[in-house]
Amino acid sequence: EAQVTQNPRYLITVTGKKLTVTCSQNMNHEYMSWYRQDPGLGLRQIYYSMNVEVTDKGDVPEGYKVSRKEKRNFPLILESPSPNQTSLYFCASSLSSPGISTDTQYFGPGTRLTVL
Amino acid sequence: KQEVTQIPAALSVPEGENLVLNCSFTDSAIYNLQWFRQDPGKGLTSLLLIQSSQREQTSGRLNASLDKSSGRSTLYIAASQPGDSATYLCAATDNYGQNFVFGPGTRLSVLP
Repeated sequence: EAQVTQNPRYLITVTGKKLTVTCSQNMNHEYMSWYRQDPGLGLRQIYYSMNVEVTDKGDVPEGYKVSRKEKRNFPLILESPSPNQTSLYFCASSLSSPGISTDTQYFGPGTRLTVL
Repeated sequence: KQEVTQIPAALSVPEGENLVLNCSFTDSAIYNLQWFRQDPGKGLTSLLLIQSSQREQTSGRLNASLDKSSGRSTLYIAASQPGDSATYLCAATDNYGQNFVFGPGTRLSVLP
């Protein structure tokens, strides 16, 4: 089954404690992306990756890091989480970037993060 | 910079009604526009993708149209059902076609 998986699904942590949210897709997609969703603000892109070892900032990259060492995995790293990073996070993937691909974007189930 | 808005923010209709959800975008030089559905506590599911060269796309009871010149897209849902209750988001490609920019969504409730 084609899918994007994220772990953990729920996480409560404290300010400053480093954490990683994993994202994996099994569709051999080149393009992967991280979003955060906040009430009233919709989905905002954090980082995206066009392919292995190619990553770039989205609209709200501050306080986040990513890496793309393998095609299937795109972890999101919060090195020193703060309360304003409390949010619902989504990973997504597609065959190629939205401007090129007519393939749909596939979304993971989301990770609800609370930073105390 | 591409900006996407959606109206209304919320909509409640009785079962069986036909309805229209609206999406507006500021930069008409889009590559694609996509409509998604989001159920509470879950991820997004793609409904329809319209390429810039297309005027509309249909899937079952759903029809999405695109008018690039006016910067608008509409999602038409025919004969609504309670199972259609969800938040509907539209997303338009940014100026470089590298990413999607999402609207805030329309929360739809279809009452039995």
